[in-house]
Amino acid sequence: SQQGEEDPQALSIQEGENATMNCSYKTSINNLQWYRQNSGRGLVHLILIRSNEREKHSGRLRVTLDTSKKSSSLLITASRAADTASYFCATDQTNSGGSNYKLTFGKGTLLTVNP
Amino acid sequence: NAGVTQTPKFRVLKTGQSMTLLCAQDMNHEYMYWYRQDPGMGLRLIHYSVGEGTTAKGEVPDGYNVSRLKKQNFLLGLESAAPSQTSVYFCASRGLIRSQPQHFGDGTRLSIL
Repeated sequence: SQQGEEDPQALSIQEGENATMNCSYKTSINNLQWYRQNSGRGLVHLILIRSNEREKHSGRLRVTLDTSKKSSSLLITASRAADTASYFCATDQTNSGGSNYKLTFGKGTLLTVNP
Repeated sequence: NAGVTQTPKFRVLKTGQSMTLLCAQDMNHEYMYWYRQDPGMGLRLIHYSVGEGTTAKGEVPDGYNVSRLKKQNFLLGLESAAPSQTSVYFCASRGLIRSQPQHFGDGTRLSIL
């Protein structure tokens, strides 16, 4: 079953605008990660936020986490055409059968940045 | 630095044929994973390994087998391919520390006719 669900499924913006993607999840987590996937390529890790953190920044990326609402958001500021990709959230669940090895991925948000 | 390498990149099979997908990582990672990605479904975990000689079932293991005879390699086998196994298959690896990210290969695009 899907733990993380991204919203929206697709987002189209103009270059220079900000892009916000949301992720909701169902169970307690140890951390939440965001990955990016360019067309025809594998996923690339962007940023990780731990359950005791509320906000994290990396370059033009800003991630927030609200554990009370079981949700996270990824903000990309001043977007570029090169940011066009699919973005996935992935959760490391606290109670994954004693395993700390697995991530559960959402279905992704397809971001298109128009030049 | 190659990271995670998957072979082959593309393959077309007939129903009932068998094949093995190879994943190799050069980062000395303990954990390795096989996922499949289908439109609208995101990534689903097929099998994973927490170390050389160990494997475990993921979310969608039926119809697949795996082996981890060497730490750097993780093989995914389809014994009798079915059209429902048409997908893009991704391998990933991760180090021992829980907060480390997973590193992905570029995928194998498999079509079963």
